[in-house]
Amino acid sequence: GENVGLHLPTLSVQEGDNSIINCAYSNSASDYFIWYKQESGKGPQFIIDIRSNMDKRQGQRVTVLLNKTVKHLSLQIAATQPGDSAVYFCAETSKTSYDKVIFGPGTSLSVIP
Amino acid sequence: EAGVAQSPRYKIIEKRQSVAFWCNPISGHATLYWYQQILGQGPKLLIQFQNNGVVDDSQLPKDRFSAERLKGVDSTLKIQPAKLEDSAVYLCASSHSGRGGTGELFFGEGSRLTVL
Repeated sequence: GENVGLHLPTLSVQEGDNSIINCAYSNSASDYFIWYKQESGKGPQFIIDIRSNMDKRQGQRVTVLLNKTVKHLSLQIAATQPGDSAVYFCAETSKTSYDKVIFGPGTSLSVIP
Repeated sequence: EAGVAQSPRYKIIEKRQSVAFWCNPISGHATLYWYQQILGQGPKLLIQFQNNGVVDDSQLPKDRFSAERLKGVDSTLKIQPAKLEDSAVYLCASSHSGRGGTGELFFGEGSRLTVL
């Protein structure tokens, strides 16, 4: 079945450093992998996605890497800022399951000023 | 563009009472999702609508939870009777159809339910 999970429940980084958040998945049939950011009291917000036929995708200060061999996904945030403090979720979706989006358990990122 | 609207933001009820949550998705979004997020966990999909039809409700506890999406726009999620373990944030999300299922969902701010 589908299962998306995270290695680290919490992560603390110094402001200005780079952050790396990791995620493991088990469904080889997933079409897209997505990262969401959730600030306290708000709903999750889409950050970036990557299609299953890609290895890397870059956005503004963020990079997502996909390693299908070991079923691993990571989100890299460059020059982490206090506003990046939030819980980050990886998620997956598959056309074979009507584009159902399944979320992992999340990693809490805390940026130290 | 207006975002996903949800109400109420907060609700406190006693166990065995009933509660209803309302969601208005982004205009033109055909797909609507209800997620349950228990404190410290990731959102769990309860039900997914495509227009006004259900495409997935496999995780919905149908003995107490019900949801509908009349006319393919607004949706309501009802819990009756509520249990202590239903305490959670109920998130509504919507997405475009025809985007190839990239997984980009637009979420409301959620309705926080506390069952005493």
